[in-house]
Amino acid sequence: DAKTTQPTSMDCAEGRAANLPCNHSTISGNEYVYWYRQIHSQGPQYIIHGLKNNETNEMASLIITEDRKSSTLILPHATLRDTAVYYCIVRDSGGGADGLTFGKGTHLIIQP
Amino acid sequence: EADIYQTPRYLVIGTGKKITLECSQTMGHDKMYWYQQDPGMELHLIHYSYGVNSTEKGDLSSESTVSRIRTEHFPLTLESARPSHTSQYLCASSDPGTNNEQFFGPGTRLTVL
Repeated sequence: DAKTTQPTSMDCAEGRAANLPCNHSTISGNEYVYWYRQIHSQGPQYIIHGLKNNETNEMASLIITEDRKSSTLILPHATLRDTAVYYCIVRDSGGGADGLTFGKGTHLIIQP
Repeated sequence: EADIYQTPRYLVIGTGKKITLECSQTMGHDKMYWYQQDPGMELHLIHYSYGVNSTEKGDLSSESTVSRIRTEHFPLTLESARPSHTSQYLCASSDPGTNNEQFFGPGTRLTVL
């Protein structure tokens, strides 16, 4: 998996949009950007993934730059329950059973 | 909500005991994984499986072993537990039909005294 770089921690006010950046400058053409989050003491939860187009689902939006060297996860209206560690992972979606390579992620703290 | 289960959720056991951590999923996924996570640290892949009768070692070396006799079960065994095995163990499964999204269980928190 290509290496990703994320800020160690971020704060966001409840009700505001939380924008979590991720740098993946060595991403290759067949690699996707995945986002997971891990709420304290629980298993990680899939959020969203994308290749080059922006993506949106019921949880979040993913904005990928045109050169694909960075991306931003957007939680449009953060709530206290969104406090978690967010992981940006780059991997080939296609093949193998290889697991995910988790970095340290960003600890997002939603402030009331 | 993911249909993947782990038991026990918490286990405190003495050194030298044999333990088996259970993981089961009802989604029919072929691929399954075990990760290890120390408190406040990153997750590390220790085992994975492509399907029945397939087991592979992951990125982090582990003294544990796994088996995959049935699609839905992927148990992890420690023959002789030691304090250095104290950690959280997370099981996951995935399927190519869902873009290889991994579904995680709630984890087993193991403490070896």
